Order: sequence, then C-alpha cells, then structure tokens
Amino acid sequence: NAGVTQTPKFRVLKTGQSMTLLCAQDMNHEYMYWYRQDPGMGLRLIHYSVGEGTTAKGEVPDGYNVSRLKKQNFLLGLESAAPSQTSVYFCASSDPGASYEQYFGPGTRLTVT
Amino acid sequence: GENVEQHPSTLSVQEGDSAVIKCTYSDSASNYFPWYKQELGKRPQLIIDIRSNVGEKKDQRIAVTLNKTAKHFSLHITETQPEDSAVYFCAASFDSWGKLQFGAGTQVVVTP
Repeated sequence: NAGVTQTPKFRVLKTGQSMTLLCAQDMNHEYMYWYRQDPGMGLRLIHYSVGEGTTAKGEVPDGYNVSRLKKQNFLLGLESAAPSQTSVYFCASSDPGASYEQYFGPGTRLTVT
Repeated sequence: GENVEQHPSTLSVQEGDSAVIKCTYSDSASNYFPWYKQELGKRPQLIIDIRSNVGEKKDQRIAVTLNKTAKHFSLHITETQPEDSAVYFCAASFDSWGKLQFGAGTQVVVTP
C-alpha cells in the first residue's frame, strides 16, 4: 500500500493564481483532513471530510475550498492565492472504525509570491 | 473550541538522559491524545497515543501520562539517543469526527 500520497510536492504561485492540491489514500479510510503547517504554530485544520460527498470547515478555512467526490481522494483548492497561504500542506486520513490514528501524507510545500 | 498549549518550545538533552514534554488542554470533552514526531522535511508520524480512560501508557523508551482532572498530559522519553532529535507535537481530539487540535511543537535536540 502507498498509504497517503500528495501531489505536487512543491509549487510556486504568483498572487492571484489558482491551484488544486490532490490527496489520495488507498487504505479505504472514511475520514480525511487537510492541515497547514507554519513555523512555530503546529498544524492547523483547514477542512475535513467524514465521507464521500461530505466536507466541513476546520479552524482556518478562509481562502480554501475542498471536494471529496471519491472516497479515496480529497482535493484542496486555492481560488486566488495570497502570500499568507505560503505554507506546508499536509493531508491525513483515518479509519474511525479501527482507531483514532491519523495517517499523514508527505506534504506539499507551497510558496506564493 | 479546544486549545492545546505545549511546553517547552525547545529542549536540549544529553544522550542517555530523559526528556519530558508537557501539554495542557482546555476542553474536558477531549478523549484522545496522540503524540507525533516530525523529522526535518518529513511528515508527522504517530509515536504513542492515549485514550481518556487510561492514565498511563508505555512503549519501550516512550511513555505518556494523562491527568484528566488537571487537563494535562506529558510525553516521557528515557535513555535518549541522537535519533530522538526531532520536533514533537501533542494533540487532543475533542469530537467524534476525530479532529485534532495540535500544540505548537517542541524541538528536541539530543547531543552525544
């Protein structure tokens, strides 16, 4: 199993550009999450999904949208990137029927200039 | 919402000594407390976790203790080794969707 994968690994955007980050998991997990990690601030939850076709806001949702059209994929979109969205983005998934453990992807480093 | 505070922000220890990281949480409904280790440029990886119905859990050189009354939990690493050098994050889960509120992290440096 590949576990949780993320594409791309790195990206540089100009202010105002848009992009989509893809998270994929092959563990048949029901729950999926998007976090951002900034220096000295730990990880903060952006959006999450508790099943195919469902999404909900986390702690810092402004400027981001998400979609979960297929159970194995969770997409994070930036419609109009801003320098404040420069960060490392991590996706995670969990199987609530088995445990609370969240499995993280390798991350995407995004720079907005 | 939940708020998790983590101390210290940096911790330097000599190889072989013990390291202790402490976290406090605000929501008494929180029921799951994981600890993650993150090496530079890598993803966070779970090293140990504890549920609210347990006071202590140990896995080889790593242990976690939970005090529900005081709303704090701690990570203990004994016989530290250079490969223990990393950033450690505590977290608390406060609802049935498994959402985690993370602490700000502790940079642990183990010097030989």
